[in-house]
Amino acid sequence: GQNIDQPTEMTATEGAIVQINCTYQTSGFNGLFWYQQHAGEAPTFLSYNVLDGLEEKGRFSSFLSRSKGYSYLLLKELQMKDSASYLCAILQGYKLSFGAGTTVTVRA
Amino acid sequence: GAGVSQSPSNKVTEKGKDVELRCDPISGHTALYWYRQSLGQGLEFLIYFQGNSAPDKSGLPSDRFSAERTGGSVSTLTIQRTQQEDSAVYLCASSFGSGGMATGELFFGEGSRLTVL
Repeated sequence: GQNIDQPTEMTATEGAIVQINCTYQTSGFNGLFWYQQHAGEAPTFLSYNVLDGLEEKGRFSSFLSRSKGYSYLLLKELQMKDSASYLCAILQGYKLSFGAGTTVTVRA
Repeated sequence: GAGVSQSPSNKVTEKGKDVELRCDPISGHTALYWYRQSLGQGLEFLIYFQGNSAPDKSGLPSDRFSAERTGGSVSTLTIQRTQQEDSAVYLCASSFGSGGMATGELFFGEGSRLTVL
């Protein structure tokens, strides 16, 4: 596989900021994607990065550094509904390969 | 339909039995994927269909697994002689598959949870 690594779990307080890191060992890929998956539900697309840099979408931002083999998803102004698993994924051609996901728990 | 539809949502079967899981993708989506998600694990790619092209079956774990897609729409994943290690959530996803980043924007179904006793 692409050896996509993410922390298993993170806990943060409502209103705070959390950064979920994703590292990978593959060189050629089309883009890096982030998905959100609430417990017992289907994954849903959040964002993608093609070029290095920061992509901002409301409270969520995603960053990519191809040279460092590194991405992160930044969740700002955390809300209780943000408690979910966040999956990092790499697109090579038509195939999307996923990491194991990071479970984020938001506490009041 | 409005989204990807999968059936059954839950299936409990005995070891050695065959099971069929169905996926109805979003209308107009040419790409269809099957993934498997075991407890605490990431999504494991199983198979990919794109239009009338030969499917990419490279992720199927054994020859007990097979899938077909009829008429470029509905897909069926079949597991023969099920084993306990086949227990997982089987997720189907579709996308426009037009190339570019839209290819990676997958729309997932709710999944079929398979339990093999």
